[in-house]
Amino acid sequence: DSGVTQTPKHLITATGQRVTLRCSPRSGDLSVYWYQQSLDQGLQFLIQYYNGEERAKGNILERFSAQQFPDLHSELNLSSLELGDSALYFCASSPRRQGSLGEAFFGQGTRLTVV
Amino acid sequence: KNQVEQSPQSLIILEGKNCTLQCNYTVSPFSNLRWYKQDTGRGPVSLTIMTFSENTKSNGRYTATLDADTKQSSLHITASQLSDSASYICVVSAGSSASKIIFGSGTRLSIRP
Repeated sequence: DSGVTQTPKHLITATGQRVTLRCSPRSGDLSVYWYQQSLDQGLQFLIQYYNGEERAKGNILERFSAQQFPDLHSELNLSSLELGDSALYFCASSPRRQGSLGEAFFGQGTRLTVV
Repeated sequence: KNQVEQSPQSLIILEGKNCTLQCNYTVSPFSNLRWYKQDTGRGPVSLTIMTFSENTKSNGRYTATLDADTKQSSLHITASQLSDSASYICVVSAGSSASKIIFGSGTRLSIRP
């Protein structure tokens, strides 16, 4: 158990809909990262937050947004969903601002299926 | 363009044998490189982290090497076990503030009894 909690574990929704994925980082970790992993694809970095502020942005679509709350949990909002958005969405946390300098611990992921 | 390429794409070996996975990168400026193990349907777990000045780092039966001059890294697994069956992902961080994180597509390793 990495200490990073993601909910829900599975989500099935229809095209055009909007969903929210939630991530609770490890206790004390200030950085939260979101990743997308499509079937048989590598992990794609979406966005990083550090202590409530956006720190780095990757290949995140405009239809997607994220935020980190004062209690450090984070939410990833996916809107106008398309079939191609079906993927595993991982959250990772790290104690550091520059998370790559330390270890990032991953949650178990949310499997999103868009039908 | 920042890229991380891993080889082979997949590998099957017999239990007890050794194997080496490769990671080549064209990321600049380099910050650090990590190897992750990802079991099917689960989150990646960090194996090693290497900075520019480190050549070798071990974690049990896993040994990672880094050649910053040739921009190559390898992950050597010794005396493989069935539980080593997983995807192994190379991740390189770049940028002055390490703000860019580039993932390789992984090597899928299968250990056969």
